[in-house]
Amino acid sequence: AAGVIQSPRHLIKEKRETATLKCYPIPRHDTVYWYQQGPGQDPQFLISFYEKMQSDKGSIPDRFSAQQFSDYHSELNMSSLELGDSALYFCASSLGAGPDPYEQYFGPGTRLTVT
Amino acid sequence: GQQVMQIPQYQHVQEGEDFTTYCNSSTTLSNIQWYKQRPGGHPVFLIQLVKSGEVKKQKRLTFQFGEAKKNSSLHITATQTTDVGTYFCAGPTSGTYKYIFGTGTRLKVLA
Repeated sequence: AAGVIQSPRHLIKEKRETATLKCYPIPRHDTVYWYQQGPGQDPQFLISFYEKMQSDKGSIPDRFSAQQFSDYHSELNMSSLELGDSALYFCASSLGAGPDPYEQYFGPGTRLTVT
Repeated sequence: GQQVMQIPQYQHVQEGEDFTTYCNSSTTLSNIQWYKQRPGGHPVFLIQLVKSGEVKKQKRLTFQFGEAKKNSSLHITATQTTDVGTYFCAGPTSGTYKYIFGTGTRLKVLA
């Protein structure tokens, strides 16, 4: 079965640079979520999209923006990177129907290292 | 804001022993989900509870949702080395898709 795809898997950037993370949700899933997970921490909700519209916002810095495109893939754009942005970034998708609505399927994550 | 705490933070058990993690939310939850994350891996969905007082079982795992829908527990009977990982509960802020993850319980199983 198709899973959530994230690219790149690893990314190394320098301070003040920009980064773009991509997410391809499971086909026919209508909701995409972005999370940030620091070492030994729980996933922190950043932002979500429902049917290509932003639905909810969490602790996402103003330097970050995200969007979902017509083909349902989503991108997280991060500018003016700081050392503290180094983390694992997960994308998840869900379908608001079925026996377990909103069950989130997580991608493998993108490990961002800012030097 | 909404907070979801889990205890214990860490648990080491001998293989074959039981294990329980508790999840407590500062606000009432419409539903609660449980995830398992292996070291170096991504969270994997285990189960979702929706009804007050609901109990669900998956083989050796038993999940409960509190009557007030503010707490939940996950109990593993006779742990195995394959149970190693961090267990997270997660619940949505009311009326949103904004899921707040609990602080997690890291389980180590000693063979």
